[in-house]
Amino acid sequence: EVQLVESGGGLVQPGGSLRLSCTASGFTFSSFGINWVRQAPGKGLEWVSYITGSGSTIFYADSVKGRFTISRDNDKNSMYLQMNSLRDEDTAVYYCARVPLGRLDYFDHWGQGTLVTVSS
Amino acid sequence: SYVLTQPPSVSVAPGQTATITCEGNNIGSKGVHWYQQKPGQSPALVVYDGGDRPSGIPERFSGSTSGNTATLTISRVEAGDEADFYCQVWDNSGDPWLFGGGSKLTVL
Repeated sequence: EVQLVESGGGLVQPGGSLRLSCTASGFTFSSFGINWVRQAPGKGLEWVSYITGSGSTIFYADSVKGRFTISRDNDKNSMYLQMNSLRDEDTAVYYCARVPLGRLDYFDHWGQGTLVTVSS
Repeated sequence: SYVLTQPPSVSVAPGQTATITCEGNNIGSKGVHWYQQKPGQSPALVVYDGGDRPSGIPERFSGSTSGNTATLTISRVEAGDEADFYCQVWDNSGDPWLFGGGSKLTVL
């Protein structure tokens, strides 16, 4: 069974940093691209970042470019999101979401999410 | 950049058919994907590539695209179908993965 488990969320002050983790099981992790997608309280879904299975290609949403860094460690079946210079508007549940093998245009499995709250 | 527009809410009686639309410029030329998010849960894929269903998704869920409109149709609606539904496309004119604003399906 495919499982994605996020962790690392919490309360952080504006301007602060946080590192999220996504740990995978049930599939060959290194073969799949993984994304971060976030959802502000009571709002819709917003794509944040993508990394290919090998880690060689990375994309960021304009709203986080220069502040967030995505990475992965295939030996640990884990993917990370380093979030710096956090703003109030980064408050959201952050989901990791897998893309299907050979595709990159949609998300076939999602984690349960981890809540990030940016507030003073 | 590309924009996807969904109605904020759709209401339907149990046993009837719900239709949720997603409008975008020439969306019929794109792959459209739909997600269901039940209260307190993470999103789940229900339709991909316009009209295909992942394993485990009931045949009651179907999708179509034409011109500037993509449609998710849920037949014989059940109380358990109540959720937020999001359409999504991949587009290279801005942020690649783009979601519609979501539609809340209420079962009366």
